[in-house]
Amino acid sequence: DTEVTQTPKHLVMGMTNKKSLKCEQHMGHRAMYWYKQKAKKPPELMFVYSYEKLSINESVPSRFSPECPNSSLLNLHLHALQPEDSALYLCASSQVGRGLANNEQFFGPGTRLTVL
Amino acid sequence: GDSVTQMEGPVTLSEEAFLTINCTYTATGYPSLFWYVQYPGEGLQLLLKATKADDKGSNKGFEATYRKETTSFHLEKGSVQVSDSAVYFCAVRYNQAGTALIFGKGTTLSVSS
Repeated sequence: DTEVTQTPKHLVMGMTNKKSLKCEQHMGHRAMYWYKQKAKKPPELMFVYSYEKLSINESVPSRFSPECPNSSLLNLHLHALQPEDSALYLCASSQVGRGLANNEQFFGPGTRLTVL
Repeated sequence: GDSVTQMEGPVTLSEEAFLTINCTYTATGYPSLFWYVQYPGEGLQLLLKATKADDKGSNKGFEATYRKETTSFHLEKGSVQVSDSAVYFCAVRYNQAGTALIFGKGTTLSVSS
């Protein structure tokens, strides 16, 4: 299984809602990532988990709260979002370590989020 | 800091034309280099990669060679198809645990029949 799955595919939420994005992989990868991608822009890194511990937080507002409950799952909890947070949210995973073979990131199809 | 520079798009070609998309990077050390493709409405797919100098990555007729002397990783295809229309991202990643990808701005390719 070389797939990263994300649910839901599309999400529309109001500014007072609480919702969660989910990501799952069964490749045995111990690094997982959240990226945000605005239209016609490259993905921007938000968070990195390594061995289920948060290792990078790229100064993301606290209305985004990541969670890694186990080595296969990654969640992104959303609360009190703003319309400018509307974007494609991409999850990725990779192996961890210094070996050259460990560098490939596998991306999920993304969740397209619209905040009204 | 580390960065990736891609040629600005959009690139518009006719079917069977030759494609080159330029990519250069600033390097401290020996990064791995990648090209990702994003088709309309989809996530990113790895197109090809190279992990050391002079390596050539290839896939689906696309090729790119890791040129350390010019810090470049230009993407080429000899004959594009309409189905190649997508956004192409060059990216680098350094060989350190937990280091995420650094992406270029992306180049939109539009191929007409």
